[in-house]
Amino acid sequence: GAGVSQTPSNKVTEKGKYVELRCDPISGHTALYWYRQSLGQGPEFLIYFQGTGAADDSGLPNDRFFAVRPEGSVSTLKIQRTERGDSAVYLCASSLTSDRLTGELFFGEGSRLTVL
Amino acid sequence: AQKVTQAQTEISVVEKEDVTLDCVYETRDTTYYLFWYKQPPSGELVFLIRRNSFDEQNEISGRYSWNFQKSTSSFNFTITASQVVDSAVYFCALSPYGYKLSFGAGTTVTVRA
Repeated sequence: GAGVSQTPSNKVTEKGKYVELRCDPISGHTALYWYRQSLGQGPEFLIYFQGTGAADDSGLPNDRFFAVRPEGSVSTLKIQRTERGDSAVYLCASSLTSDRLTGELFFGEGSRLTVL
Repeated sequence: AQKVTQAQTEISVVEKEDVTLDCVYETRDTTYYLFWYKQPPSGELVFLIRRNSFDEQNEISGRYSWNFQKSTSSFNFTITASQVVDSAVYFCALSPYGYKLSFGAGTTVTVRA
């Protein structure tokens, strides 16, 4: 498809386990973003990639969260030692550029993570 | 610090009624951008509009219109002649630059046939 693709769409795991969530952005989009949306809330910024590098990871809640984008396309969000509070929908977005005149992000449908 | 408040949690209307969604924001930045996004049941957020803080002109796009009032820090959104397909969660968002959006909690709009 032509949109942002996220896998898995649903992930149920046990407390303490390791989880990886994958994002495949729109072809040609150099900027990629991860947001987290808790139930009944708006999305919260986690991290932004420009190319292969994390240009802003100020939204990552703690060092259990890490994200990579080794070839400047697909990105993986990694969560270690999951906690029940990590349960949320993790949204990925991409754009052609992240300059201040844009803000028009193209979002995927999200990966719903449930930590039991 | 950025803050966006959407005081209306849920709005339910009958088809063809107009719907106005309120958004109030707080920021210390002199230059910033305001956004509205739509989140249908499928989950992906869909961009609707972006305004910068220097442009207070109201905007109309089809059945959608936006009223930006800097004096009251508000950026309200109206859907005219609502349709069932407008049913979704609508988010107002604020950013000093393009990507790091601060979203409100959202307003769920239900349009009944």
